[in-house]
Amino acid sequence: DTAVSQTPKYLVTQMGNDKSIKCEQNLGHDTMYWYKQDSKKFLKIMFSYNNKELIINETVPNRFSPKSPDKAHLNLHINSLELGDSAVYFCASSYQSPGTSGASSQYFGPGTRLTVL
Amino acid sequence: TQLLEQSPQFLSIQEGENLTVYCNSSSVFSSLQWYRQEPGEGPVLLVTVVTGGEVKKLKRLTFQFGDARKDSSLHITAAQPGDTGLYLCAALNQAGTALIFGKGTTLSVSS
Repeated sequence: DTAVSQTPKYLVTQMGNDKSIKCEQNLGHDTMYWYKQDSKKFLKIMFSYNNKELIINETVPNRFSPKSPDKAHLNLHINSLELGDSAVYFCASSYQSPGTSGASSQYFGPGTRLTVL
Repeated sequence: TQLLEQSPQFLSIQEGENLTVYCNSSSVFSSLQWYRQEPGEGPVLLVTVVTGGEVKKLKRLTFQFGDARKDSSLHITAAQPGDTGLYLCAALNQAGTALIFGKGTTLSVSS
């Protein structure tokens, strides 16, 4: 009965490779997000999608391309991986977009630990 | 730039002790949230506070939103090893489009 699931849990790859992370939520939420948590545990928004449409892109390099095939899925593709991309990537979802009615409750996936060698 | 400053950054205590974690900002927020993240998992929402001066209790956890809605505190009474984790405060950015997070307080409770 996982609410927000991500695959893979761990991803180890070489610099320059292209990789994808998948996310699915079964909560019926309209909004999905990608966050990056660095080695110091700082969590920062990368992208936000509402009903398959991009609503936030927070100065993320264009090597990162999110894709939302439907409301329940938000995938993240990363081209030409760099050492600095090593981090834990979290997918999250919420019933409404932030600000629609204050800060909505966000439900996070278990994270994908990406290591670029 | 809106910032949420959390203190302390690290806290290591014995079971049964009380502790308080702080989240401060120079900005006013319409609401503020607290999340707990356990190792290898994603953050889990504990509480949302919306009214200045509001106090909310969740078992041994007490959350307070400052009167001016610029700061918040989390107090844990009689800490237990199960309280171990990373505590994050979060609030909407100025545009109201995304959550911004503090850098977190890592709590370790030993028995």
